[in-house]
Amino acid sequence: EAGVAQSPRYKIIEKRQSVAFWCNPISGHATLYWYQQILGQGPKLLIQFQNNGVVDDSQLPKDRFSAERLKGVDSTLKIQPAKLEDSAVYLCASSPPAGASGYTFGSGTRLTVV
Amino acid sequence: QKEVEQNSGPLSVPEGAIASLNCTYSDRGSQSFFWYRQYSGKSPELIMSIYSNGDKEDGRFTAQLNKASQYVSLLIRDSQPSDSATYLCAVLLSGNTPLVFGKGTRLSVIA
Repeated sequence: EAGVAQSPRYKIIEKRQSVAFWCNPISGHATLYWYQQILGQGPKLLIQFQNNGVVDDSQLPKDRFSAERLKGVDSTLKIQPAKLEDSAVYLCASSPPAGASGYTFGSGTRLTVV
Repeated sequence: QKEVEQNSGPLSVPEGAIASLNCTYSDRGSQSFFWYRQYSGKSPELIMSIYSNGDKEDGRFTAQLNKASQYVSLLIRDSQPSDSATYLCAVLLSGNTPLVFGKGTRLSVIA
C-alpha cells in the first residue's frame, strides 16, 4: 500500500513569510494528524482530523497556524506569519479511525525560518 | 497534563549486547503503548506495540509493560550498529485521542 505522502521535503523562508505544507494519507485512513518535531524533542501534536472534522486542535497556535482537510482526504497546514521558533520538522500521520494500532508517518517537511 | 518521560541518552552499548530503553507515563488510564524508531533525518517508524501487562516479543525486540508501575520498556537483543537511532515511546489514552510522545532516547551501538 502507498504510504503517507508529504510535500515539500524542505522549505526555507524568512520570518513573517507564509508557508503551506501538504499531506495525503494512506487510502482509507479516516484519521489524520499533524505533528511538529523540534530538533532533539519528540513529536508534538498540532491537530487531529477525523474525516474532515477537527477532533483536537488544542495545541495549535491558532493566531498563526491553520489547517484544513477538505473532503476528508488530503490536508494542508499553513503558517502565517512564520516565526524563528517555527523551525522544525512537520510530520503528517494517518491511522484507521481508532488509532489503537499505531500511526504511519510521512517523510515530513523540514522548515527553516531565517 | 499527559506526560511521557524518557531518558534522552545517549545510551551506548557494544555490538551484540542487550540495549534496554525505558519509558514512564503519567496517565494511569492509558491503554496502548508504542515504540517508534527514528533514524537521523527520517520520520518515526513503528516497531512495537503492546496493550497488556507482560512481555511481547518480535524478533530481536521485546516490549515490556507494567501498568501498575506506569512503565514501558524496550529490549533489543544482539544489538547491531544499524539499531543506532532515537527510540520514541508513545502512549495512547483511548482510541480517539492522539498519541503522546516522549522526547526519545538516542541509542548508539558501537561496533
